Amino acid sequence: SAVISQKPSRDICQRGTSLTIQCQVDSQVTMMFWYRQQPGQSLTLIATANQGSEATYESGFVIDKFPISRPNLTFSTLTVSNMSPEDSSIYLCSVDPGGRGETQYFGPGTRLLVL
Amino acid sequence: GENVEQHPSTLSVQEGDSAVIKCTYSDSASNYFPWYKQELGKGPQLIIDIRSNVGEKKDQRIAVTLNKTAKHFSLHITETQPEDSAVYFCAAPSGWSTLTFGKGTMLLVSP
Repeated sequence: SAVISQKPSRDICQRGTSLTIQCQVDSQVTMMFWYRQQPGQSLTLIATANQGSEATYESGFVIDKFPISRPNLTFSTLTVSNMSPEDSSIYLCSVDPGGRGETQYFGPGTRLLVL
Repeated sequence: GENVEQHPSTLSVQEGDSAVIKCTYSDSASNYFPWYKQELGKGPQLIIDIRSNVGEKKDQRIAVTLNKTAKHFSLHITETQPEDSAVYFCAAPSGWSTLTFGKGTMLLVSP
């Protein structure tokens, strides 16, 4: 398993601003993921962030809006840029320690409200 | 890609009753099926998973069954307790490295 922390845990932001969310893992992992969970909804994958390569974005998500950094095997950031109220969601990072595209462990999430 | 459907969307039971949540998947090549529990204000927590080489797996009060032929798998919770109240998500592999999640089931266990 893996222990994951995220910062901030929650934030209230003004439209047009940007927020960077940090994800820290207690062990080295190759595969890290960023998800969005809108209120009362399921988890939607934003991108896969592997250390040493550029993030791979899912359909509907672009790098200009959600730039991701992965400087090492225990840390990643997701920035939500030029925010609008529609970006109000829970943002979750997860890791796949086995690297087989199977078991993922999630952080506690960042609850974002955009006014 | 993989398509995962989950039913029911909400489930209310009395404490001590059993609860069953069902999921279907579309990709016959999928071979790993996890279940996650998400409590209010927390991230999803892996509670049990099953691989395609077995038909059932148990862990105390929870069990998962898998029917590969019908492409469906189910979560069974026996002797439910109020602390089982949460949203439960099933998932299946999508592509080579990611998971596709069901829409979730909100389970409410009344004392």
